[in-house]
Amino acid sequence: DVKVTQSSRYLVKRTGEKVFLECVQDMDHENMFWYRQDPGLGLRLIYFSYDVKMKEKGDIPEGYSVSREKKERFSLILESASTNQTSMYLCASSQNYGGYTFGSGTRLTVV
Amino acid sequence: QKEVEQDPGPLSVPEGAIVSLNCTYSNSAFQYFMWYRQYSRKGPELLMYTYSSGNKEDGRFTAQVDKSSKYISLFIRDSQPSDSATYLCAMSFMDTGRRALTFGSGTRLQVQP
Repeated sequence: DVKVTQSSRYLVKRTGEKVFLECVQDMDHENMFWYRQDPGLGLRLIYFSYDVKMKEKGDIPEGYSVSREKKERFSLILESASTNQTSMYLCASSQNYGGYTFGSGTRLTVV
Repeated sequence: QKEVEQDPGPLSVPEGAIVSLNCTYSNSAFQYFMWYRQYSRKGPELLMYTYSSGNKEDGRFTAQVDKSSKYISLFIRDSQPSDSATYLCAMSFMDTGRRALTFGSGTRLQVQP
């Protein structure tokens, strides 16, 4: 079974901090995605990547950046964390067909 | 208007009931349809994956797509307390890697023992 591992389950950060969320997949998937999930709003796409060093903006990229230096790793960066970025962050990967495989999520609280 | 609409619930049913979960969508270009199940404090897991209109069955689960009505359904037969979770529908335009899914906001299901 493919595994998507997110480095932290829970994080508490201060406003203005730079925050790194890490995601690693172990099945050589081409594509990786970062979503945030908020009550009533569902999953919203932040960024995705279909190849090493490639990235595409999703629906809500403002305040975020990403890095994909290796195929298995996709990092989400909050340049200057704000309280409205408090959310559940979900990483996913996929091959060129079929659905996604998700990680367990990182619940980020910005205080 | 959201691209994908899903009733948030909660939907509460007794054990053994048949459950019907639904999504409507506005973009007729969607061709690939999925259902994910998400337990509390976990990431979503893929349950069903279908292409275009028709039915697909997998054990107690049946996914149904009606493209003419822009309506998809997930039926759960003989529901169990372990089915209690949030169910997310998702869809995409094409089955290639360079695409992202559009999700509904999820329906919370509670199966009472």
